[in-house]
Amino acid sequence: GAVVSQHPSRVICKSGTSVKIECRSLDFQATTMFWYRQFPKKSLMLMATSNEGSKATYEQGVEKDKFLINHASLTLSTLTVTSAHPEDSSFYICSARATGLNSPLHFGNGTRLTVT
Amino acid sequence: DAKTTQPNSMESNEEEPVHLPCNHSTISGTDYIHWYRQLPSQGPEYVIHGLTSNVNNRMASLAIAEDRKSSTLILHRATLRDAAVYYCILRDENSGNTPLVFGKGTRLSVIA
Repeated sequence: GAVVSQHPSRVICKSGTSVKIECRSLDFQATTMFWYRQFPKKSLMLMATSNEGSKATYEQGVEKDKFLINHASLTLSTLTVTSAHPEDSSFYICSARATGLNSPLHFGNGTRLTVT
Repeated sequence: DAKTTQPNSMESNEEEPVHLPCNHSTISGTDYIHWYRQLPSQGPEYVIHGLTSNVNNRMASLAIAEDRKSSTLILHRATLRDAAVYYCILRDENSGNTPLVFGKGTRLSVIA
C-alpha cells in the first residue's frame, strides 16, 4: 500500500537553531502534502498545505517565515522550523493522498521535536 | 466540514468486540464517514470509510445508521495493539484534495 516516510523520527535541538523535517511519498506521486502538529494529549492541528512547485498555504496563526515549507518534487516536501524555541517542541506529522481525490490520506510516523 | 461527536474514552477487554460510536447529525448527502486511528507515538492510519452501506475490511467494520446521523466502528476482536485514539471524520466527496480535520477522537484502552 501507499507509504509516506518521514525523517527524522526524533530530533533534539538548541534554541535558536533550525531543524529540517523531510516527508517522502515512497510509491506514489503527491502534488499536495499536508503538515500537522500535535501537542501532548491533543488532537492533530493542520499547519499548512504543501503544493509541489508553488507556495504553501498556511493555516491561520501559523507563521510562514518560521515554518518554511518546500515541495520541490512530486515525492518530497520539507518543513524547516527556523530559530526554534522550546514552545515549538511538538510532534510534527506529514500526510499525502495517493490516488484519487477520495482516497485515504496516508501519514508519516511523525517527528518528535524537542527544543532545549 | 460537518461536526462529529465521539466519547472521550472507552475501555474493552482483550479478545472482545468493541463498538465505537460516532454521532454526525448534520451530515450532508455527499459526506463520506472516515475512521482513522492513531497508535501511541505514531502518525494516524486509515481504518475504513463509507457513504451509506455498511463496510467491512480486514481491520474493522463500519455500520452506518439508515438516516446516516450516526455510525459505529466495530473491532470484532480487540487486541492490545488496538489501543489507540480513534477518529471519526466526515469528508465531502466534492472537497477535492483537501486535508482531514481531526476532532478529539475516542481513546480506546484494551485490558488484557
